[in-house]
Amino acid sequence: NAGVMQNPRHLVRRRGQEARLRCSPMKGHSHVYWYRQLPEEGLKFMVYLQKENIIDESGMPKERFSAEFPKEGPSILRIQQVVRGDSAAYFCASSPRSKEDEQYFGPGTRLTVT
Amino acid sequence: GQSLEQPSEVTAVEGAIVQINCTYQTSGFYGLSWYQQHDGGAPTFLSYNGLDGLEETGRFSSFLSRSDSYGYLLLQELQMKDSASYFCAGPDSGGYQKVTFGTGTKLQVIP
Repeated sequence: NAGVMQNPRHLVRRRGQEARLRCSPMKGHSHVYWYRQLPEEGLKFMVYLQKENIIDESGMPKERFSAEFPKEGPSILRIQQVVRGDSAAYFCASSPRSKEDEQYFGPGTRLTVT
Repeated sequence: GQSLEQPSEVTAVEGAIVQINCTYQTSGFYGLSWYQQHDGGAPTFLSYNGLDGLEETGRFSSFLSRSDSYGYLLLQELQMKDSASYFCAGPDSGGYQKVTFGTGTKLQVIP
């Protein structure tokens, strides 16, 4: 039973490029959350999705950031025209419908913008 | 909205007991979760309190008092591998759509 998978684990982008981060939730989990973590800081909620629906994106910047969780395939967090301030670890978590209080995290994607 | 406050750092001796507190302010509340995160690693779920009282899971216990807007994580028989950051987390008012994490407590276990 594979856990939450994220890829790539490390991503380097130049300013102005696009970053695409992928997350495959645990089998049977229909809820996906994305978080951002800066060094020595806590996790900041970005967006919460269910299959084909964005439930809450209040933590996500209005510009350049978007997220999706299609019917088939992984959830994608997309950052357009990256800037240095986007450098962070991005974690995805999933939970089953019945136990939303337990979130299982993927290993994260470390994004570095040069 | 919601905010959860924790002490930034705690140091304890191997074999001892340590308590990590979490105080919160929220207009609605559905429970408190705890996560462990080692440096460079992903957060790992430890426990959840949906009701007031103590929940015990091996060496770790978690407590919640909703009337006091307060909870804590208790770690017993500390081991060196328990050195990590610990986060409390709770849903924002209105449900579990948005989960807010606490400021985090860095625990250092010393010999």
